[in-house]
Amino acid sequence: SQTIHQWPATLVQPVGSPLSLECTVEGTSNPNLYWYRQAAGRGLQLLFYSVGIGQISSEVPQNLSASRPQDRQFILSSKKLLLSDSGFYLCAWKERRRDYGYTFGSGTRLTVV
Amino acid sequence: EDKVVQSPLSLVVHEGDTVTLNCSYEVTNFRSLLWYKQEKKAPTFLFMLTSSGIEKKSGRLSSILDKKELFSILNITATQTGDSAIYLCAVGNDMRFGAGTRLTVKP
Repeated sequence: SQTIHQWPATLVQPVGSPLSLECTVEGTSNPNLYWYRQAAGRGLQLLFYSVGIGQISSEVPQNLSASRPQDRQFILSSKKLLLSDSGFYLCAWKERRRDYGYTFGSGTRLTVV
Repeated sequence: EDKVVQSPLSLVVHEGDTVTLNCSYEVTNFRSLLWYKQEKKAPTFLFMLTSSGIEKKSGRLSSILDKKELFSILNITATQTGDSAIYLCAVGNDMRFGAGTRLTVKP
């Protein structure tokens, strides 16, 4: 069966420090991968999505970047965090050939102080 | 630009009330509309709608899609405190989410 792992679960980082959040999927090949951010109490904002290794689409210009070094690995990064980067980050995947069946990771709560 | 708008943004009701949540959309390539419930962490899937006029039902929750008027509604009857959550609507091939509706059900 397929599983998605996202870590860490919580993170407190100072302003100006780097960030690396990792997401891996098991039990499938060639998934579409997504990074979302949710501000407190609000909906999900699509940040990046990837349809293959090295293929990243950015939805919102910002202080973050994403990479997909392996088929089932998706990384969200920042060189210098801003206070506004605080939020809840969710990774998700789905089978490329389907419209549905999105599965989310458990999320990372990032607080920039 | 694809757009998904949910209303209301927040709603407070009492147990036993019936609520209707709305999701309207403008997307260039509609394929499906999905409803999710988010309580603490990751959203959990509720419904997927692809065809107009066909109601999907699960217990006290039901949803329907109108592809002509470009919206969907999510109904919850006889609400319970456990229904308190953010309800998210997502549309499109790459799942654009609305801002969500925060539902609070008071005892």
